[in-house]
Amino acid sequence: DQQVKQNSPSLSVQEGRISILNCDYTNSMFDYFLWYKKYPAEGPTFLISISSIKDKNEDGRFTVFLNKSAKHLSLHIVPSQPGDSAVYFCAASGGSGTYKYIFGTGTRLKVLA
Amino acid sequence: EPEVTQTPSHQVTQMGQEVILRCVPISNHLYFYWYRQILGQKVEFLVSFYNNEISEKSEIFDDQFSVERPDGSNFTLKIRSTKLEDSAMYFCASGQRQGKNLNSPLHFGNGTRLTVT
Repeated sequence: DQQVKQNSPSLSVQEGRISILNCDYTNSMFDYFLWYKKYPAEGPTFLISISSIKDKNEDGRFTVFLNKSAKHLSLHIVPSQPGDSAVYFCAASGGSGTYKYIFGTGTRLKVLA
Repeated sequence: EPEVTQTPSHQVTQMGQEVILRCVPISNHLYFYWYRQILGQKVEFLVSFYNNEISEKSEIFDDQFSVERPDGSNFTLKIRSTKLEDSAMYFCASGQRQGKNLNSPLHFGNGTRLTVT
């Protein structure tokens, strides 16, 4: 039951350029979306979120875009830095009577110096 | 900044043994979760806990699993009789408030690596 999908398992980007990570979802009841960053041997760290009433949310170098009609969200990192190299997970929640957050499979981002 | 803490960081146990994984969520949070990640795979939901009871659980969370908030600060996951396939990273998470238009992110601990031999 893959309600949240990240179709690119890995991405390499040059330092200073834009990183774009993509995520698709199938459940139209989702109303809250998040991006997490994860380093090896650590827990996921919250980066940025967006509610379904918005289509864009920005926090410093990180911007999340939500396209509800396409059931698609993306994370833009500008400019990319070597310290951004990690696995990025999108997550979603929503629906009546449920408070669980469902995670995608992750995209490994490598920022090349 | 307050954080979720988990102990131990690594637990090795023999098949059939009971293990208890411990977590101290962020103090003003009301919603508590356990997730697990088998090596290289996705982060999977196990259980959510609110108001001293399980609010939701996945099909993974069978009768061998239980959760408890024994003293108002700790949140534990018990596996009664471990199997080889229980080997994974187990993450505890907590959140402040959930529900339509009240959403807030989950904050995760650094996990307990459980190895069942």
